[in-house]
Amino acid sequence: GIQVEQSPPDLILQEGANSTLRCNFSDSVNNLQWFHQNPWGQLINLFYIPSGTKQNGRLSATTVATERYSLLYISSSQTTDSGVYFCAVGPYSGAGSYQLTFGKGTKLSVIP
Amino acid sequence: GAVVSQHPSWVICKSGTSVKIECRSLDFQATTMFWYRQFPKQSLMLMATSNEGSKATYEQGVEKDKFLINHASLTLSTLTVTSAHPEDSSFYICSAERPSGSGHEQFFGPGTRLTVL
Repeated sequence: GIQVEQSPPDLILQEGANSTLRCNFSDSVNNLQWFHQNPWGQLINLFYIPSGTKQNGRLSATTVATERYSLLYISSSQTTDSGVYFCAVGPYSGAGSYQLTFGKGTKLSVIP
Repeated sequence: GAVVSQHPSWVICKSGTSVKIECRSLDFQATTMFWYRQFPKQSLMLMATSNEGSKATYEQGVEKDKFLINHASLTLSTLTVTSAHPEDSSFYICSAERPSGSGHEQFFGPGTRLTVL
């Protein structure tokens, strides 16, 4: 199956700093999503971005599908940004559904 | 939009009992829903794909007789853990799929923490 690697596994930032999280994947994908898992376990959708660039406030993401990677940028980090960031990818799996394979995540800690 | 709920949020049960978890898409219809399992400090592992009106598709290594999935309507899928044992204790998360552009996007429920004593 498809392999998903996220880096770095852990990241500690001072509040206000910027960061880049990376997601590499081993095969062509038709689906790529970034999530933030909060301390209570809820997965928050950040971006649906199988290709191209998107921005939402202090967050932006870029996926270069031909080179099989995606980047998540966090600017002016806040303590509420702390948590685990997951990249999940999927090929078209038939029957109209898109199964996702998750990376192991990047654990972000933002300190005041 | 795109809200998915799960019930219960947490459950504690005795070994040998069965537990049912509900997953609902509140503001959209979902032909396909997914069930995941997450162990502490680990990533999400797909257990099964649930399609409305048909049998679920289970991932390799997932016992279909232990984890019964029913997707009886376009807004509800249920996961029943039968004859639960302590090793079934985990965080179970569902998602519902919705068309987005030329593809599909998954939206996740808040999860259910199962503890089997």
